[in-house]
Amino acid sequence: DGGITQSPKYLFRKEGQNVTLSCEQNLNHDAMYWYRQDPGQGLRLIYYSQIVNDFQKGDIAEGYSVSREKKESFPLTVTSAQKNPTAFYLCASSIGGGWNQPQHFGDGTRLSIL
Amino acid sequence: QKEVEQNSGPLSVPEGAIASLNCTYSDRVSQSFFWYRQYSGKSPELIMSIYSNGDKEDGRFTAQLNKASQYVSLLIRDSQPSDSATYLCAVNRPNFGNEKLTFGTGTRLTIIP
Repeated sequence: DGGITQSPKYLFRKEGQNVTLSCEQNLNHDAMYWYRQDPGQGLRLIYYSQIVNDFQKGDIAEGYSVSREKKESFPLTVTSAQKNPTAFYLCASSIGGGWNQPQHFGDGTRLSIL
Repeated sequence: QKEVEQNSGPLSVPEGAIASLNCTYSDRVSQSFFWYRQYSGKSPELIMSIYSNGDKEDGRFTAQLNKASQYVSLLIRDSQPSDSATYLCAVNRPNFGNEKLTFGTGTRLTIIP
């Protein structure tokens, strides 16, 4: 079954702690994205990668970091510098790097502060 | 003015009727338009993509695009209770060096049995 797998489904972060959210896809998509969704707000782009070993900051990259060492994987680290990390985090991928390609989402990770 | 605007709702529609969801966008050069359905607590699911002016039909769903008026709409025919969800409009705004997909905040649709 092709798809995008995010893990864990729920994650709790202690103050001062870095946490990493996993995103794996077996769709052979070139581009991958991380969004954050807060209640009453639209999805906001954190980081994106259109090709392996390259990634770009989105609108709200501060306090986050990513890597793209493999085509299938695009993990997101929420660092202690992100002061308001509680949100629903969504990973997406698209077949090509162009923004006119539809993006498909994983099931998401809910992050909360302990 | 928001880049992508949607009425937050809730929009209540009787079962079997047509649900009409609207989305306006601010950037005239936008080229690609997407509708996503998001059930409560779940991730967005792509329903429709539309790139050219006019209508595009897929089953009970019809997307309508009018670039001159800068709006895109989604019609759901024969609405079912399972259509109750939040519908997100997403618009691609080409801008060299800063291109991205911008999402509206969504319209919450409730189908009344």
